[in-house]
Amino acid sequence: DQQVKQNSPSLSVQEGRISILNCDYTNSMFDYFLWYKKYPAEGPTFLISISSIKDKNEDGRFTVFLNKSAKHLSLHIVPSQPGDSAVYFCAASARAGTGNQFYFGTGTSLTVIP
Amino acid sequence: DSGVTQTPKHLITATGQRVTLRCSPRSGDLSVYWYQQSLDQGLQFLIQYYNGEERAKGNILERFSAQQFPDLHSELNLSSLELGDSALYFCASRGGANTGELFFGEGSRLTVL
Repeated sequence: DQQVKQNSPSLSVQEGRISILNCDYTNSMFDYFLWYKKYPAEGPTFLISISSIKDKNEDGRFTVFLNKSAKHLSLHIVPSQPGDSAVYFCAASARAGTGNQFYFGTGTSLTVIP
Repeated sequence: DSGVTQTPKHLITATGQRVTLRCSPRSGDLSVYWYQQSLDQGLQFLIQYYNGEERAKGNILERFSAQQFPDLHSELNLSSLELGDSALYFCASRGGANTGELFFGEGSRLTVL
C-alpha cells in the first residue's frame, strides 16, 4: 500500500520558469514531510522539509507547501535551472514514538530545458 | 558528500548466492535505515536500527537480515538471491531515533544473474 504518492513520473520545464512537483499522502498520522533530490549514480540528497504545524517553508529558490486537509504537499522551484534536472522524491513520517519510518513516493523526474 | 559510506558500490552475483552490503553512518549518527530501489520504483523501506537495536521493520524478505554493530556500522545480508533482488540498496543515517532528516549513502547496486 503506497502511503505516499507522486502521480507525475516526469515533468519538463523551461529554464527560468516555475517547477511544481506534487505529492499526496494517505496517512493522517504523518507530521513531517521532506523532499529529496537524486542525480543518477548518487544517493538522494535532502532538499527541504516541513512540519505539519506549518503550511509553508521556504529555502532560497525552493518552497514547500503543505495542505493537511487535502493531504497534499508540493515543491515549487523558482526560477528553475538546468542543474535542477534530477529525480525528486517526497517523503513523510510520523515522529511520534520511536523507530519511525520514512515513506517515500516513486519520484518525479524533472527536466529543465535551457 | 553525505558522510554515509556504502560498500561495495557494485556487485554482480548469481542466483542462490549470498551477499553482504556494508554501511558506515555519519559520524555520531545512531540510526541506520536500509532501503531498496528496484527499477522505476520508489524507495522501499526495509529495516531500521538505532544504537544497535532493531527499531522498525518494513517489507523485508525473510531471506534478508541486517544488524548494527557496536561501532554503529550496519550490514545487510541477502541470501538465496533471486533475479528480482537486483536493485539499488541504500543506507541512510540520522542522529536520533525520530528527529531530523535522513542522510543517504551512494548506494550499492546489486545485479543477480
